[in-house]
Amino acid sequence: NAGVTQTPKFRILKIGQSMTLQCTQDMNHNYMYWYRQDPGMGLKLIYYSVGAGITDKGEVPNGYNVSRSTTEDFPLRLELAAPSQTSVYFCAARAQSSYEQYFGPGTRLTVT
Amino acid sequence: ILNVEQSPQSLHVQEGDSTNFTCSFPSSNFYALHWYRWETAKSPEALFVMTLNGDEKKKGRISATLNTKEGYSYLYIKGSQPEDSATYLCASVTRDSNYQLIWGAGTKLIIKP
Repeated sequence: NAGVTQTPKFRILKIGQSMTLQCTQDMNHNYMYWYRQDPGMGLKLIYYSVGAGITDKGEVPNGYNVSRSTTEDFPLRLELAAPSQTSVYFCAARAQSSYEQYFGPGTRLTVT
Repeated sequence: ILNVEQSPQSLHVQEGDSTNFTCSFPSSNFYALHWYRWETAKSPEALFVMTLNGDEKKKGRISATLNTKEGYSYLYIKGSQPEDSATYLCASVTRDSNYQLIWGAGTKLIIKP
């Protein structure tokens, strides 16, 4: 039982490049989240999903897109990377019956 | 603006000493308060979810209290051990946040042997 997995662990992008951060969970949880974590700041919600086919914006969605075609997968897409998107990205999942979130190991992204 | 504040930002504690730190959150339309433990190079892990005013939770040497009327929660660690070194995050859930977690920046706890 792997829980929540994220790939890649690290990535360096040039300004204007695109990439997809992958997130997969094997817990059959309906709810999934993408956060970014910047030094000295709390986790900021980028997008979330309450089930396959349903996504919604969080606090800081600009510059990102998501999709949720299956319960297991919730990829985060950066279309035109900017230095402001340098951050650590966490994916999380939770069951509908509980507010406890299970986090992936994170992806450290640097945009230069 | 829904702000969750944690203090102190960091804390050095001698091994064996007890310590506590604070999470302040919006008290209006309160729904739940979460505490997470985040070790370096690992993922945040849930410690407690608290929903009722006056609620107290305990897990081993770690406990937490909740005051929803005044909007604060304390996390206590009794007899600190090196393995307690981590960043402790709290997150508030309110109806105003559309039931999403609003996170504090965390308290980084370092236990000195």
